[in-house]
Amino acid sequence: EPEVTQTPSHQVTQMGQEVILRCVPISNHLYFYWYRQILGQKVEFLVSFYNNEISEKSEIFDDQFSVERPDGSNFTLKIRSTKLEDSAMYFCASSELGQITEAFFGQGTRLTVV
Amino acid sequence: GQQLNQSPQSMFIQEGEDVSMNCTSSSIFNTWLWYKQEPGEGPVLLIALYKAGELTSNGRLTAQFGITRKDSFLNISASIPSDVGIYFCAGQTSGGSNYKLTFGKGTLLTVNP
Repeated sequence: EPEVTQTPSHQVTQMGQEVILRCVPISNHLYFYWYRQILGQKVEFLVSFYNNEISEKSEIFDDQFSVERPDGSNFTLKIRSTKLEDSAMYFCASSELGQITEAFFGQGTRLTVV
Repeated sequence: GQQLNQSPQSMFIQEGEDVSMNCTSSSIFNTWLWYKQEPGEGPVLLIALYKAGELTSNGRLTAQFGITRKDSFLNISASIPSDVGIYFCAGQTSGGSNYKLTFGKGTLLTVNP
């Protein structure tokens, strides 16, 4: 069964460092998303991406965040200068059509900022 | 922003028991979804509800979209150890984005064999 794959599964980084979280969406999907879940909190929307541009972003997705589809298979989330409060599980998702209700989620990358 | 209140926060039950959890909101939702998250995995969609009053089953799972469009419940019958995980409700609000889901905080289910 096709699946969304995320790497790494766990990333530890020092405050102020840049991190790149990687995702390989399902191959025929055209819409991509990032969500995050701070420990003990709800899953929150960060950004959606289609046709090489951001379709929508939340207030969490400030100038420290960026997304990119550098090639035909990867979708990345970059955090420019990490803060302690960026520690969370980051989930990538993809859907064939632009409807999050039909998206598949990856297994997540746990980011720990120390 | 929209809030989903999910309860209970956690449940500890014996194998074979039935389980019920629910979500409520002050906002109207067009779609209600129920996900399960197992350790080290992402949320997996269990049931999607698209119409007020809709009652949908998926094996031992049954979910309903409330008539007021402000609530939903998930029932699991005859629980088994592999039902363990965190169950999330999520929804899309009326007139809201196609890309954005609002999630509840989750219900942690533990099943004692």
